[in-house]
Amino acid sequence: AQTVTQSQPEMSVQEAETVTLSCTYDTSESDYYLFWYKQPPSRQMILVIRQEAYKQQNATENRFSVNFQKAAKSFSLKISDSQLGDAAMYFCAYRSALTGTASKLTFGTGTRLQVTL
Amino acid sequence: EAGVAQSPRYKIIEKRQSVAFWCNPISGHATLYWYQQILGQGPKLLIQFQNNGVVDDSQLPKDRFSAERLKGVDSTLKIQPAKLEDSAVYLCASSFIRGEQFFGPGTRLTVL
Repeated sequence: AQTVTQSQPEMSVQEAETVTLSCTYDTSESDYYLFWYKQPPSRQMILVIRQEAYKQQNATENRFSVNFQKAAKSFSLKISDSQLGDAAMYFCAYRSALTGTASKLTFGTGTRLQVTL
Repeated sequence: EAGVAQSPRYKIIEKRQSVAFWCNPISGHATLYWYQQILGQGPKLLIQFQNNGVVDDSQLPKDRFSAERLKGVDSTLKIQPAKLEDSAVYLCASSFIRGEQFFGPGTRLTVL
């Protein structure tokens, strides 16, 4: 079974600064997807960024980028130029890419990000 | 485009009572998921439907939880009887087959 670990329960960053959230995972599969989701107090999960394991290039979405280290099974999220609206819970998630299997997401325990003025 | 709809947003019941949650997925999405998110944890899949059929219900406590997806559209998740440990947020998500999952706003259940 796959597991996802987020070792930082809480992080804090000043507005306009950069912060990195850590995630490690364990799997025996070679093909999979990794995701970062944002969950604000409204509770609605919003996809921030995704990474396909077969792609060596790190994914980037505007101020959000990842550092994907497949051999180390590490998948960190970097938020640049932090904004007050970035304050939320951030979840790292894994999904198998094998066809014929269920496509559930396996989530970590989350990191609460605070953004201060 | 309308998102995933869920109701109610909040529900408070006493233990041993029953409760039902409703989910309306995004139009055209064949796959529907129910996740349970206990406070301080990440969401955990309870059940996955593809059209009318169940793809994965391995973590659904079948002695008390049931779910159905009639006509491959709306879905209902039921708990009967509820226990204190069922207090959680219940998230519904939908996707095209193996596509990106879009989540609803969730239902917060408190069992007293």
